Amino acid sequence: KAGVTQTPRYLIKTRGQQVTLSCSPISGHRSVSWYQQTPGQGLQFLFEYFSETQRNKGNFPGRFSGRQFSNSRSEMNVSTLELGDSALYLCASSLQQPTYGYTFGSGTRLTVV
Amino acid sequence: QQQVKQSPQSLIVQKGGISIINCAYENTAFDYFPWYQQFPGKGPALLIAIRPDVSEKKEGRFTISFNKSAKQFSLHIMDSQPGDSATYFCAASASNNDMRFGAGTRLTVKP
Repeated sequence: KAGVTQTPRYLIKTRGQQVTLSCSPISGHRSVSWYQQTPGQGLQFLFEYFSETQRNKGNFPGRFSGRQFSNSRSEMNVSTLELGDSALYLCASSLQQPTYGYTFGSGTRLTVV
Repeated sequence: QQQVKQSPQSLIVQKGGISIINCAYENTAFDYFPWYQQFPGKGPALLIAIRPDVSEKKEGRFTISFNKSAKQFSLHIMDSQPGDSATYFCAASASNNDMRFGAGTRLTVKP
């Protein structure tokens, strides 16, 4: 059974640019959540999607957005990149809701220069 | 955003010793408390989880102790091994809601 796949693994962008990250959940998982991980802040919740609808949202500015497709694959987009957006972005999927347990991908390491 | 407080930030234990990591939460709606283990370059992986209707859950060398009245839970790693060296995160979630994570504990087990 394939795990959660995130692409790309590494990304270097310039301030002001925008970026799109992709996440393919485990087959059958309908909930996809995104987290930002930084050394100082730990794992910060960005948003969760279920059946193409954003069900929960964390405390991030509107520059961070996401969507989910009918096959449960999800993308997150960050516009007008700032240096502080440099982080590991993790995607996690679960069957229906987080209480069933997350499975994380290996993440996308974004560096903003 | 931090609704789960985790301590200590880092922990050094000798091989064969007991590693103890503590977490406290505020939201009484939380009803699922997992622990995740993360190795460098990897995403967190579910280690063990507990629901508030039990006070303890053991899986191999890993035990979760849960104190509902104090709103605290802890992870005990018995007979700690160098391969256990990783970052550990506690987390909590309520039904149909996002999962909130502690800040993480970097565990080093010295041979």
